[in-house]
Amino acid sequence: ELKVEQNPLFLSMQEGKNYTIYCNYSTTSDRLYWYRQDPGKSLESLFVLLSNGAVKQEGRLMASLDTKARLSTLHITAAVHDLSATYFCAVSYTGTASKLTFGTGTRLQVTL
Amino acid sequence: NAGVMQNPRHLVRRRGQEARLRCSPMKGHSHVYWYRQLPEEGLKFMVYLQKENIIDESGMPKERFSAEFPKEGPSILRIQQVVRGDSAAYFCASSLPTGIQETQYFGPGTRLLVL
Repeated sequence: ELKVEQNPLFLSMQEGKNYTIYCNYSTTSDRLYWYRQDPGKSLESLFVLLSNGAVKQEGRLMASLDTKARLSTLHITAAVHDLSATYFCAVSYTGTASKLTFGTGTRLQVTL
Repeated sequence: NAGVMQNPRHLVRRRGQEARLRCSPMKGHSHVYWYRQLPEEGLKFMVYLQKENIIDESGMPKERFSAEFPKEGPSILRIQQVVRGDSAAYFCASSLPTGIQETQYFGPGTRLLVL
């Protein structure tokens, strides 16, 4: 059974600081996704990572993938309050369209 | 370009009633997924459908839950004889299989409350 774990579960950080969220998964995967969810809202797709060593960046967020370690990281640079949300990683492990297995989520709170 | 649409956004049912949740995928998308999110938890896969076919229902409870995606019209997730434990947010996602870069786009969700 595929398991996806994130840590930390909760992260409180000051504006301007850097931090990293970690996502470990238990089985070889085709794709790894990062999503953002604001309270009471739906999920917004942030990144799709496909291959070992893949790195993608959008604004203050950068995601990377190490398939050998079965680890993805979401790095936050110089956090701002607008980044406060819950971040989920999700993994799919079949060749084409398939179900996503989500991590537990990391609730990020950026304080002034 | 409308995104994934779900209705209703909020649904209140008493125990024993039926709940019907609707999902209209993004235009041109032929794959639909349903996920359930309990409070303070991640999303759990329920079912994956293509038009008129259930592809993977490994996450669906064996009883009371059913899903369909007819040739015409939205996908429907149906919960019969609801219980309090069914209270959750139900999200629908759709995708257009474009090969390895395929991404699932999520709707706003239906928040079901069972009294």
